[in-house]
Amino acid sequence: DGGITQSPKYLFRKEGQNVTLSCEQNLNHDAMYWYRQDPGQGLRLIYYSQIVNDFQKGDIAEGYSVSREKKESFPLTVTSAQKNPTAFYLCASSIAQGSYNEQFFGPGTRLTVL
Amino acid sequence: GEDVEQSLFLSVREGDSSVINCTYTDSSSTYLYWYKQEPGAGLQLLTYIFSNMDMKQDQRLTVLLNKKDKHLSLRIADTQTGDSAIYFCAETTPGDYKLSFGAGTTVTVRA
Repeated sequence: DGGITQSPKYLFRKEGQNVTLSCEQNLNHDAMYWYRQDPGQGLRLIYYSQIVNDFQKGDIAEGYSVSREKKESFPLTVTSAQKNPTAFYLCASSIAQGSYNEQFFGPGTRLTVL
Repeated sequence: GEDVEQSLFLSVREGDSSVINCTYTDSSSTYLYWYKQEPGAGLQLLTYIFSNMDMKQDQRLTVLLNKKDKHLSLRIADTQTGDSAIYFCAETTPGDYKLSFGAGTTVTVRA
């Protein structure tokens, strides 16, 4: 089955610790994305990558970092610099061609910082 | 993308039609999408419409696009309890394949 997996589903961390969220896809998509979802605010783009070894900041990149060493993987690190990291994080991927952009989403990771 | 706005809540009786509305500000939008998110899950694409179309129908779903007013709507006929979810509209614009999402409309279906 093709799809996107995110792990873990729930994650708890103490304030001041860095934490890395995993995202893997086997859809052979070039583009991958990280979104943050907070109640009533929709999805906000954190980082995106159109191709291996390249990525760009989205609208709310401060306090986050990413890498794209493999086509299949796009891990997100939430650093201690992120002031309010508790949220639901969604990873997505798509074929990066043209204006039509159907994004396929993973099941999400709910991060709670204590 | 520019701002995409949606009302936050909609309550509908089972069997009735639901209409979810969305407005966008970027007149150059090429594609507009409707995504569905069930509780605690990721988003799934429900349907989309290209900007040169006024209407698209897919089984129980009807999408209407009014480009003059920059207004998009999703009608769900014969709404069922399984339709309870958050619905997001989103847009892409030429030369920018990123999606701009609205805040989402939470649809609650009551018996």
